Amino acid sequence: AQKITQTQPGMFVQEKEAVTLDCTYDTSDPSYGLFWYKQPSSGEMIFLIYQGSYDQQNATEGRYSLNFQKARKSANLVISASQLGDSAMYFCAMRDRIQGAQKLVFGQGTRLTINP
Amino acid sequence: ETGVTQSPTHLIKTRGQQVTLRCSSQSGHNTVSWYQQALGQGPQFIFQYYREEENGRGNFPPRFSGLQFPNYSSELNVNALELDDSALYLCASSWGPRGGTGELFFGEGSRLTVL
Repeated sequence: AQKITQTQPGMFVQEKEAVTLDCTYDTSDPSYGLFWYKQPSSGEMIFLIYQGSYDQQNATEGRYSLNFQKARKSANLVISASQLGDSAMYFCAMRDRIQGAQKLVFGQGTRLTINP
Repeated sequence: ETGVTQSPTHLIKTRGQQVTLRCSSQSGHNTVSWYQQALGQGPQFIFQYYREEENGRGNFPPRFSGLQFPNYSSELNVNALELDDSALYLCASSWGPRGGTGELFFGEGSRLTVL
């Protein structure tokens, strides 16, 4: 079964600094997909970035990049030049198949607080 | 915003009661998944509906049931509510049951409190 581990319950960062959120995963599938979502206090899960296991390069989306280290089974999210609006919960997730469906398996999340 | 809308946003029930939560999927999306997110936890997959049928289910008891309608909107029903059912219930829509790279769009959730 797929498993996601996020070991940082909370992170505090000064505005404009870069921040790295840790994520390790466990799977026996050779083909897999990894996601990062942001969840503000409103509750909505906002998709940030995706990395496929066979992607040759680390994924980037604007200020978000994914530091994908396949041998170490880690997929850390890097946010450059943090902003006050980045304060939220962040979840790492992995795609899994169940019967005819696709589901996401989420980690416990990291609460990121950006200080002015 | 994703275009996925959920109702109600907040509700309070007592143990033993029944609840129905509703979700309208994003335009063009034919698949709806439901997740339960307990306080301080990541979301847990409940089930997925595709073409009006349940096509995948997580580790939830039968008192959690759902429907999908011809317009692809969906309902989550929970019978015989227990205190541990208190959670944020998230609906997510996608095109097809095996949506690939981030094509899962979430609503803002329905926060259920069971007293």
